[in-house]
Amino acid sequence: GNSVTQMEGPVTLSEEAFLTINCTYTATGYPSLFWYVQYPGEGLQLLLKATKADDKGSNKGFEATYRKETTSFHLEKGSVQVSDSAVYFCALSPYNTDKLIFGTGTRLQVFP
Amino acid sequence: DSGVTQTPKHLITATGQRVTLRCSPRSGDLSVYWYQQSLDQGLQFLIQYYNGEERAKENILERFSAQQFPDLHSELNLSSLELGDSALYFCASSVGSGDLYEQYFGPGTRLTVT
Repeated sequence: GNSVTQMEGPVTLSEEAFLTINCTYTATGYPSLFWYVQYPGEGLQLLLKATKADDKGSNKGFEATYRKETTSFHLEKGSVQVSDSAVYFCALSPYNTDKLIFGTGTRLQVFP
Repeated sequence: DSGVTQTPKHLITATGQRVTLRCSPRSGDLSVYWYQQSLDQGLQFLIQYYNGEERAKENILERFSAQQFPDLHSELNLSSLELGDSALYFCASSVGSGDLYEQYFGPGTRLTVT
């Protein structure tokens, strides 16, 4: 079946630290991969996506590379800010479908 | 603001009752999706409509039903409510059908069943 596994949180960092949130997936065929962010009291927002192997998605300083050989899509940012504090969800969309399958979410807390 | 609106924001009701959650997609979006976020199950897809027709369905109980109206707004009906139905219900919309189209999420309706 299709599933997403991401690291447990919370991840606690100081401002300007390097961020990695791990995400691995299981899927049949060739899924598209996504990172969504959920700020307190709000809905999810698409952060970045990649639709095929070796694609790199990037937005607002965040990056993730679609690695088919390791079935991974780890989220990275070189220097986090307090405003990045949120819950981050890794997700996949199975080939030829529109639905999103989400991981459990990872809470990021950034302190000044 | 994603442009997707959901009403009500909060709903508190008793077991056995029925509720209706409403979603208005972004202007011009033809696809509507419903997701449930609970402590037990995490964030999971329930159902998708595209231009009034059901496109996909998963994880949705028989006590739940949904529809998309000609003006493209959608309603999710939950009946014979149980404590375990307490969750945050998100609606999302996209212009078309396919993962090339970004899904825009509403702020959610928090349902509490007592």
